[in-house]
Amino acid sequence: DAKTTQPNSMESNEEEPVHLPCNHSTISGTDYIHWYRQLPSQGPEYVIHGLTSNVNNRMASLAIAEDRKSSTLILHRATLRDAAVYYCILKGGSQGNLIFGKGTKLSVKP
Amino acid sequence: KAGVTQTPRYLIKTRGQQVTLSCSPISGHRSVSWYQQTPGQGLQFLFEYFSETQRNKGNFPGRFSGRQFSNSRSEMNVSTLELGDSALYLCASSLVGGGRDYGYTFGSGTRLTVV
Repeated sequence: DAKTTQPNSMESNEEEPVHLPCNHSTISGTDYIHWYRQLPSQGPEYVIHGLTSNVNNRMASLAIAEDRKSSTLILHRATLRDAAVYYCILKGGSQGNLIFGKGTKLSVKP
Repeated sequence: KAGVTQTPRYLIKTRGQQVTLSCSPISGHRSVSWYQQTPGQGLQFLFEYFSETQRNKGNFPGRFSGRQFSNSRSEMNVSTLELGDSALYLCASSLVGGGRDYGYTFGSGTRLTVV
């Protein structure tokens, strides 16, 4: 399975935008890019996913590089509730499963 | 709508025993996956069921098994429990169809402690 590389941790200030990077240089043409986040003592929560084009939803935006070797999850205005571990995952096609890495621990300062 | 429901939330078992965990997916979701989360190994994929058939399997010993019923509910069984099986077991469900990819909805998990 293709691997992703994320920073171990990042810090942000409340109400400021956050850009969480993810590198996936060995991505294949059928791999979808998924982002999940996990708050303490909870199961992971779906954030967003995409294949080639940038995607937006009520939670975040996903910017995918033209060569698809990297992507960025954008939280437009961080809140204290956004403090979590964020996982960038490559899913092999529509029938693949999620392979979690260690993720990025995001801290949000008031 | 109701989310993914996992029961029980907490469980304490003794080494050598077996355990069955239950997962009720979101209505209409026919794919159910199971994951194990430990502090040392993180989140690891166990298996996925779709239409009562195991579609994908992770790298776990045969002591870990599962099944899916016609109503898409799924159970996971671990036999001959070991101390290392202590973990948070998470279930996730997803829509399937049309060649599209969908996100997964996770339950809150079952915390299994083996003593």
